[in-house]
Amino acid sequence: SQTIHQWPATLVQPVGSPLSLECTVEGTSNPNLYWYRQAAGRGLQLLFYSVGIGQISSEVPQNLSASRPQDRQFILSSKKLLLSDSGFYLCAWIYGPMNTEAFFGQGTRLTVV
Amino acid sequence: DAKTTQPNSMESNEEEPVHLPCNHSTISGTDYIHWYRQLPSQGPEYVIHGLTSNVNNRMASLAIAEDRKSSTLILHRATLRDAAVYYCILRADSSYKLIFGSGTRLLVRP
Repeated sequence: SQTIHQWPATLVQPVGSPLSLECTVEGTSNPNLYWYRQAAGRGLQLLFYSVGIGQISSEVPQNLSASRPQDRQFILSSKKLLLSDSGFYLCAWIYGPMNTEAFFGQGTRLTVV
Repeated sequence: DAKTTQPNSMESNEEEPVHLPCNHSTISGTDYIHWYRQLPSQGPEYVIHGLTSNVNNRMASLAIAEDRKSSTLILHRATLRDAAVYYCILRADSSYKLIFGSGTRLLVRP
């Protein structure tokens, strides 16, 4: 069966420090991968999505970047965190036709201090 | 992507049916209607989706208006575990994006 792993579950980082969040999917190949952010009390904001290795589409220009070095690995990064980067970060994947369901990871709660 | 409009919040009593509305007046012919829900401190989970016909699964039913400009998610017997934010999303068959709106926060009273 397919599973999605996202880590760490919680993270506290100082302003100006770098960030690397990793998401991996098991049990499938060539998934479409997504990064979302949810600020406290707000809705989900699509940050990046990828339809293949090395292919990244950015939805919101900001202090973050994404990479997909392997088929089932999606990484969210920042060189210097801002206070406004705090939030709940979620990775998701969809396989096959666009009208199948999306599966979400358990999320990383990032607090920038 | 076409936009959806949902009430900010709704309340229901436990074990009663719940009808969550969604308006999507600008829906196009290739847009599927998806519903997800998000429990506190968790990622969203898929509930149901449809194109034109009403759909049923173990979690809920989806009723789609004949003109497709609105839809309703039906929870047949609400439980306390159904308290969540419910998102109605339109997805074009050719689109890779999955865009969430603000959703409806469902409160279930014991």
